[in-house]
Parts: sequence; structure tokens; C-alpha cells
Amino acid sequence: DADVTQTPRNRITKTGKRIMLECSQTKGHDRMYWYRQDPGLGLRLIYYSFDVKDINKGEISDGYSVSRQAQAKFSLSLESAIPNQTALYFCATREGQGDTGELFFGEGSRLTVL
Amino acid sequence: GQNIDQPTEMTATEGAIVQINCTYQTSGFNGLFWYQQHAGEAPTFLSYNVLDGLEEKGRFSSFLSRSKGYSYLLLKELQMKDSASYLCAVLDSNYQLIWGAGTKLIIKP
Repeated sequence: DADVTQTPRNRITKTGKRIMLECSQTKGHDRMYWYRQDPGLGLRLIYYSFDVKDINKGEISDGYSVSRQAQAKFSLSLESAIPNQTALYFCATREGQGDTGELFFGEGSRLTVL
Repeated sequence: GQNIDQPTEMTATEGAIVQINCTYQTSGFNGLFWYQQHAGEAPTFLSYNVLDGLEEKGRFSSFLSRSKGYSYLLLKELQMKDSASYLCAVLDSNYQLIWGAGTKLIIKP
């Protein structure tokens, strides 16, 4: 089983629908991240969390919200999906207390908004 | 603004050596990462450089020059499985990761 698991792996939805992407990890890491990846662009940070009570906006948080339900779970929601949110979404975790450790990524959730 | 530049695509031959360059302009520097990403899969960590010089790890080496804002990833004895995208990312002064768009490496027999 993967250490960082994302569900669903693929989702097609319509404009205006609410969508939740879930991430769970068994690595015991405190730090969790949500990124989106678009062709020709680098990974962009949506939200990140350093522990259950800590939520921080990334560079492209508009239109998204998150919930850190437990150390192991970090969910990303699109309240009202729009076509330009069509992308590949990755959850990631990082070990240690600092920021220089490697990121461990989930397998990705491909979202298509029609 | 902050910027990471990498070639979009490179082609190399199985068994050969390839160097993938990354130049960066960021607000501060706290290290540079290289990740490998096979098509449709998650990125996986390759290397982290924070000091100038070359770090070797098996067939892969990563070089950093902070004064030039430059890094490269060197892949030796290329194998077909090395066909992937290689992502360069810099940790800026706020410890935020700035990602390049990635270099797609195509290996030909």
C-alpha cells in the first residue's frame, strides 16, 4: 500500500459542483501539502498544514478550501468547481520539523471540470 | 518575481550521459531539489543541494553554484527507465518551494 493515498484518482464533474479530494498518509508526518500540476507549469502550492490546528494558504488558494481532520488526513475541497480547475492534484507530506526534507507525494488525483 | 528555468524537453541515447540544467532567480535561497516524475505518476525525490559543488548518488549527480543561480542534474549510463520528467525546485527565503515546469527526458535505444 502507498504511504500517501489520494482518493479519488480520477474524477469528472460539472461546473458548479462541490468536489472533495482526500489524502491520507501512514508516514506519521506532521506536514502536509496540496499542489496542482498543469501542463507547462511547475507545481503550484494550494494549501499546507504543519499540524492539525495549523492551516496556511499557498500561492493559489482562491476557490479552494482544506480540512485537516487528523494528523494523517488532509482534504481539499472545491466549493464550486470551474473548468480552469481542471488539473492533476497532488497531496504530499514532509518529514521532520524543518523545510528541507524531501516531499513524499501521493499518486495524484486527476480532476476534469466540464 | 521568482523564476526557475529548465529546458522543456531533451532527447538522449540509451547508455549515454545527459545533463539537465536549471537556472533560478528567487528571493533568497535555502536549497535546491531535483525530483523525477514518470508520466502519470507522482514525483519522487532525487537530490537536495544547499552548498556549492557536486553531490553524487549512483548514476545520478547534482551540481550547484549559488553565485551563478545554477544547478544541473547529470544522468550517466542512461537506461530506458530514465525516460521521465525532471523537476527542479528551489526553497526560497521564506522556505517556500518554487518549482520549475520540468524537463521531459526522452531516451532512445
